[in-house]
Amino acid sequence: DTGVSQDPRHKITKRGQNVTFRCDPISEHNRLYWYRQTLGQGPEFLTYFQNEAQLEKSRLLSDRFSAERPKGSFSTLEIQRTEQGDSAMYLCASSVTAGRSYNEQFFGPGTRLTVL
Amino acid sequence: AQSVTQLDSHVSVSEGTPVLLRCNYSSSYSPSLFWYVQHPNKGLQLLLKYTSAATLVKGINGFEAEFKKSETSFHLTKPSAHMSDAAEYFCVVSGPLGGSQGNLIFGKGTKLSVKP
Repeated sequence: DTGVSQDPRHKITKRGQNVTFRCDPISEHNRLYWYRQTLGQGPEFLTYFQNEAQLEKSRLLSDRFSAERPKGSFSTLEIQRTEQGDSAMYLCASSVTAGRSYNEQFFGPGTRLTVL
Repeated sequence: AQSVTQLDSHVSVSEGTPVLLRCNYSSSYSPSLFWYVQHPNKGLQLLLKYTSAATLVKGINGFEAEFKKSETSFHLTKPSAHMSDAAEYFCVVSGPLGGSQGNLIFGKGTKLSVKP
């Protein structure tokens, strides 16, 4: 197992275009999270899935953003009609649940989006 | 609601000298607290975590942190800095079930520089 992977690692797009990112979590992990990190800031939570169910979405996730995890394995994050303010690092993390205890989230390397 | 404040945006130390990265937290209930490290072009890595067991937590690479409820602090320390410690460090809080259903709340980060 090589950990959480994300594709692509870098994406440059023009304002108004749609982009889609993919995250492959660690295979036995049932939880998958998306975060966004802008320059000079810590990551901010966007949304998370438990298996294929999207259980929570942050206020940061505008209606131009949509995330899916159709089979409870990999996930995609799509941004429609990109804006320059969407430029950021998009991070994916995964974890395994075990009752009420916290379980470590393992992060992928991120996808850096630049909107021109 | 939970939050974390990292008191220094940038800390510079000489190799072989102690490291202190400061973090204060705010939580309406007993928090779980973490320190993550982010090296350039690499994913976030968990250094250590506090989840209501021992208040002095030991992590990887010689780092440790002490949970002080009376001071609402969770400072990160290392007795002797190494050049490879140069990175961005994030203090992170999560509630009993992990923030809001498991997501992490990051501080803004402290950039650690290590001089030879």
